[in-house]
Amino acid sequence: GNSVTQMEGPVTLSEEAFLTINCTYTATGYPSLFWYVQYPGEGLQLLLKATKADDKGSNKGFEATYRKETTSFHLEKGSVQVSDSAVYFCALWTGRRALTFGSGTRLQVQP
Amino acid sequence: GAGVSQSPSNKVTEKGKDVELRCDPISGHTALYWYRQSLGQGLEFLIYFQGNSAPDKSGLPSDRFSAERTGGSVSTLTIQRTQQEDSAVYLCASSLIDTQYFGPGTRLTVL
Repeated sequence: GNSVTQMEGPVTLSEEAFLTINCTYTATGYPSLFWYVQYPGEGLQLLLKATKADDKGSNKGFEATYRKETTSFHLEKGSVQVSDSAVYFCALWTGRRALTFGSGTRLQVQP
Repeated sequence: GAGVSQSPSNKVTEKGKDVELRCDPISGHTALYWYRQSLGQGLEFLIYFQGNSAPDKSGLPSDRFSAERTGGSVSTLTIQRTQQEDSAVYLCASSLIDTQYFGPGTRLTVL
């Protein structure tokens, strides 16, 4: 079956540090890949997506590249801010049923 | 435009009572999903509606859970005879093709 594996959190960084949150997946076919972000007390917001190999999704300074050869979709940001503190979820969709989510990674950014 | 809305935002109920949770999807979205988010369980798929097709109920945890979608729009998730383990945040999402947009969720607490 499909699955998504994310790095364990929490990830604690100082403001302006470089961020990487690893995400790897197992899926049949060619899934679309997503990163969602959940701020405290809120629902999930779409952060970025990529629908085919080598596509790069980007938004708000965050980027992730769909790597079919390594089945990965790592999230990166060059300089994090305190306002980026949230839980980040990697997810995949194969066109059948629902999204398959990773377990989420909590990011804490300290001033 | 308007996003996905859910009501109520919070619901406290006593064990054994029935509850109804409502979801208003984005206008024109043909697919609607219910998920449950609880501590230690991550994001769990419950049920999926696509157009006029029969819903995919494969994620419902027990026969106390049911959902309907009227007129291809609003959906109601019903939990009968609530148990303490039903306490969680219930999230609704809608989509047109591959990208799911989430509502803010309903936090259910069963005392």
